[in-house]
Amino acid sequence: KAGVTQTPRYLIKTRGQQVTLSCSPISGHRSVSWYQQTPGQGLQFLFEYFSETQRNKGNFPGRFSGRQFSNSRSEMNVSTLELGDSALYLCASSLASFGGEKLFFGSGTQLSVL
Amino acid sequence: AQKVTQAQTEISVVEKEDVTLDCVYETRDTTYYLFWYKQPPSGELVFLIRRNSFDEQNEISGRYSWNFQKSTSSFNFTITASQVVDSAVYFCALTQAGGTSYGKLTFGQGTILTVHP
Repeated sequence: KAGVTQTPRYLIKTRGQQVTLSCSPISGHRSVSWYQQTPGQGLQFLFEYFSETQRNKGNFPGRFSGRQFSNSRSEMNVSTLELGDSALYLCASSLASFGGEKLFFGSGTQLSVL
Repeated sequence: AQKVTQAQTEISVVEKEDVTLDCVYETRDTTYYLFWYKQPPSGELVFLIRRNSFDEQNEISGRYSWNFQKSTSSFNFTITASQVVDSAVYFCALTQAGGTSYGKLTFGQGTILTVHP
């Protein structure tokens, strides 16, 4: 069974640009969560989608948005990039019939903002 | 609010030594789940264990063991006879059971474990 796939693996952008990251969950998983990982703040929850609906959201500005498609694939968008957005963005999937299910993570997209 | 504290930033051991990673948590929830994840250099977080707040039975899985003590809000992880391949960052995490915690784990800052040959 294929794991969680994130593309691209690396991305370099400049301030003010926008970026879209992609995540394909494990087959059969309907929940996709996104996390930001930085050396200073650690792992922080961005949002979670289930059946194309956002069910949970972390404390990030509106520049961070996401969506989920009918095949459970998800995209995350960051608009008007700032230097502080440089981070490893991790996607996780789960069956998620309830809160507390274990999450399966991808290898992440390393975003560098110059 | 939930909080997870991993006081050990970095641990360095020599192969075959036993090593314990500490995790202390805070939560107002009466039911919750605790997790340990491992992050090797490749970046993905690898699930190791999940424990719910009702189950204080300690667990051993191969060289890994976990000690959950609700009275002290701790969920420590021990690797017996460490190996070089155990070198990674280890994260302890917490989430509310059920409710609206979908997808949201509160992570500790992680402990960097380096096992030297």
